[in-house]
Amino acid sequence: DAKTTQPTSMDCAEGRAANLPCNHSTISGNEYVYWYRQIHSQGPQYIIHGLKNNETNEMASLIITEDRKSSTLILPHATLRDTAVYYCIVRVSTSYDKVIFGPGTSLSVIP
Amino acid sequence: NAGVTQTPKFQVLKTGQSMTLQCAQDMNHEYMSWYRQDPGMGLRLIHYSVGAGITDQGEVPNGYNVSRSTTEDFPLRLLSAAPSQTSVYFCASSYLIGQGRTEAFFGQGTRLTVV
Repeated sequence: DAKTTQPTSMDCAEGRAANLPCNHSTISGNEYVYWYRQIHSQGPQYIIHGLKNNETNEMASLIITEDRKSSTLILPHATLRDTAVYYCIVRVSTSYDKVIFGPGTSLSVIP
Repeated sequence: NAGVTQTPKFQVLKTGQSMTLQCAQDMNHEYMSWYRQDPGMGLRLIHYSVGAGITDQGEVPNGYNVSRSTTEDFPLRLLSAAPSQTSVYFCASSYLIGQGRTEAFFGQGTRLTVV
């Protein structure tokens, strides 16, 4: 699986959009981009995933660049409960074996 | 629907003791895995399984054994506990749907201290 690079930490004001970037320059054509988050030592929680089109669900939006070498997770109106570590993972679409989590981005939503 | 259940939630062991961390899922997922998370760090994969009877090593398998005799259960065994194994352990299960979705569901973790 391709490696991902994320900033170590970010701050965001409550009520504003949080934009979390992820670089995956070695991504291959059959790899999806997944995002998970982990709130205060709880088990990680799935957020969203995508291949090449932008995706949106009730939690977030995922913007993937045209060359697929980077993506951005957008939390449109960040709340204090969104304070968490966010993990960007690149996965092959047809199998599930080793899923490697990087250190992620620690997002702090500030009142 | 309980999802992924880990037991115990907390455990203290003495160096050299052995124990088994239990993980059970009731979603009929084929894939299960174990991670450990040390303070301030991300999750590191210990072992994983792609189906009953099939297991493989992850990033940090030394000192741990797994087996997968049923779809539902994926226990993690510490053979001889060491202080370096003090960590929070997470079990996860997932399944393949169409369009490459492999959403993983995580348990709430087992906090293990080895003294």
